[in-house]
Amino acid sequence: RKEVEQDPGPFNVPEGATVAFNCTYSNSASQSFFWYRQDCRKEPKLLMSVYSSGNEDGRFTAQLNRASQYISLLIRDSKLSDSATYLCVVNANTGGFKTIFGAGTRLFVKA
Amino acid sequence: ETGVTQTPRHLVMGMTNKKSLKCEQHLGHNAMYWYKQSAKKPLELMFVYSLEERVENNSVPSRFSPECPNSSHLFLHLHTLQPEDSALYLCASSQDRDFTDTQYFGPGTRLTVL
Repeated sequence: RKEVEQDPGPFNVPEGATVAFNCTYSNSASQSFFWYRQDCRKEPKLLMSVYSSGNEDGRFTAQLNRASQYISLLIRDSKLSDSATYLCVVNANTGGFKTIFGAGTRLFVKA
Repeated sequence: ETGVTQTPRHLVMGMTNKKSLKCEQHLGHNAMYWYKQSAKKPLELMFVYSLEERVENNSVPSRFSPECPNSSHLFLHLHTLQPEDSALYLCASSQDRDFTDTQYFGPGTRLTVL
């Protein structure tokens, strides 16, 4: 089992739709969680950190479920500019600090 | 955005060449990272430096040699690479090597090994 797993997609949604991505992680010692966004042929950029209580930033909502070991990202009212690959990132302390990226979920928002 | 810069942006090299990738961060961070991103694969962490000391080396072949002369600069020296080493090499930095710190990435060097 991969340490961090994401559905690669692609997710094809119309503008204005709500779309959700999940990311599962295998290491119960994982400490912190992030969603990054990567545009085609560009570097990853932080979208948002994921807090235990869940957090919201405009149209984006991130949630953490430690019991089931997954994090989620919800995008409401999708825009064309949301088209990108969304990377799940997990930091774990497993006898050393590990940063593990998921392979990403591709999103295409269409007019 | 010029927080983390990388040069060159593109590099084509033969298997017998020696080249170096350069990364510079202007954010006052203490930790710097090298990642490899191959097509359709997750980012792979290669090296981590914290306060100019290498703290992680994730089973990377010796043909990749990092160097961190100070907290703002990070190099990746390349020697006798293989075609499968062709990938996007990303540098990142964070305030410290801490679980909650955000990593900021440079634009990457797209490397092709012939």
